[in-house]
Amino acid sequence: GQSLEQPSEVTAVEGAIVQINCTYQTSGFYGLSWYQQHDGGAPTFLSYNGLDGLEETGRFSSFLSRSDSYGYLLLQELQMKDSASYFCALYGSARQLTFGSGTQLTVLP
Amino acid sequence: DARVTQTPRHKVTEMGQEVTMRCQPILGHNTVFWYRQTMMQGLELLAYFRNRAPLDDSGMPKDRFSAEMPDATLATLKIQPSEPRDSAVYFCASGGEGEATEAFFGQGTRLTVV
Repeated sequence: GQSLEQPSEVTAVEGAIVQINCTYQTSGFYGLSWYQQHDGGAPTFLSYNGLDGLEETGRFSSFLSRSDSYGYLLLQELQMKDSASYFCALYGSARQLTFGSGTQLTVLP
Repeated sequence: DARVTQTPRHKVTEMGQEVTMRCQPILGHNTVFWYRQTMMQGLELLAYFRNRAPLDDSGMPKDRFSAEMPDATLATLKIQPSEPRDSAVYFCASGGEGEATEAFFGQGTRLTVV
């Protein structure tokens, strides 16, 4: 099976940088993804790491280390609209997409 | 624009009734996932299909849940009989060929069983 752990809550102020960590256990996977979900909405894709290292997309970056079974999402120049839940997700070798429990990010003015 | 469409958006039903949720994946996508989201359990993977074939439905209570893809444009999730503990938001998501580097989610069906 697959399991992922991430912090339940993170709080930061507008303009700051925040890092959301994700550790996982799996018997095999293709990559690690990150999704954003606003209250009442559907999850939307943010980034994907198929290889170790850093992927950058605008204000968001994501990192994967397979040797450490660890990844993170880095959000820079935080804005109020970034307040949402963030999920890491493993795309497993059986082609399943398994989500972590989510991190609620609150951005304060 | 391409998007995953789920119907109905909201459903209130009485315990014991049958509930059918429908999903139209993005045209050309060959992978379909069904998830259930609750505050307590987060996003649980119930079942998923690739090229319309079920790959795994071990996340579903088999005695009452069933998932099918009668054709490439329709996926269904059925609950019979429904119970109050089934109250949740059910999401369908689809992905394209190769690695699912991006799964596109529908807006979900909010189910309330009273």
